[in-house]
Amino acid sequence: GAGVSQSPRYKVAKRGQDVALRCDPISGHVSLFWYQQALGQGPEFLTYFQNEAQLDKSGLPSDRFFAERPEGSVSTLKIQRTQQEDSAVYLCASSLGMNTEAFFGQGTRLTVV
Amino acid sequence: GESVGLHLPTLSVQEGDNSIINCAYSNSASDYFIWYKQESGKGPQFIIDIRSNMDKRQGQRVTVLLNKTVKHLSLQIAATQPGDSAVYFCAERPNQAGTALIFGKGTTLSVSS
Repeated sequence: GAGVSQSPRYKVAKRGQDVALRCDPISGHVSLFWYQQALGQGPEFLTYFQNEAQLDKSGLPSDRFFAERPEGSVSTLKIQRTQQEDSAVYLCASSLGMNTEAFFGQGTRLTVV
Repeated sequence: GESVGLHLPTLSVQEGDNSIINCAYSNSASDYFIWYKQESGKGPQFIIDIRSNMDKRQGQRVTVLLNKTVKHLSLQIAATQPGDSAVYFCAERPNQAGTALIFGKGTTLSVSS
């Protein structure tokens, strides 16, 4: 596709449930980023990939959060044993390189009940 | 604490007016800055960027000004239109290998006709 695609758009999970969020970056984009955006706040960095290598995961809030990009294209953000405080919009962005324009997807809105 | 912040959480203007949205950043090592527009239910959309070796950059109806002396960034929108109504975020990238964008909290621009 022409842009960054994320699925699902909306996800409701019961507390304690595991969820997986998918990101399809723009074809050929080397860099991929995951951000978490709480209501009324700016996006907060979670993790960064360059191709298949996860170069920075310093923003992941706990060991319940895990991200992968095994073939250097599609990425999955997994949250285990979801908690209410995990409710947020999860944004994925991709760019050709580290210091070039980053394009964002529409995000996945996760609600934990 | 946050690295990037905006002076005003909301800004209301009349259609046709010029809008100025301000941002202060604290990391003097940042060398790349971006303004994003985010409409409700959508991901951030790139507006314009500027590198630290410049102090002004113009796009279509938008101008970004960078004052490194006081660590201040501003976005000027000429002839503001109702379609410009959105939340605007400035973001910075610290000049360190492998670091991602740091976002501020955002300014909500409301344009009335």
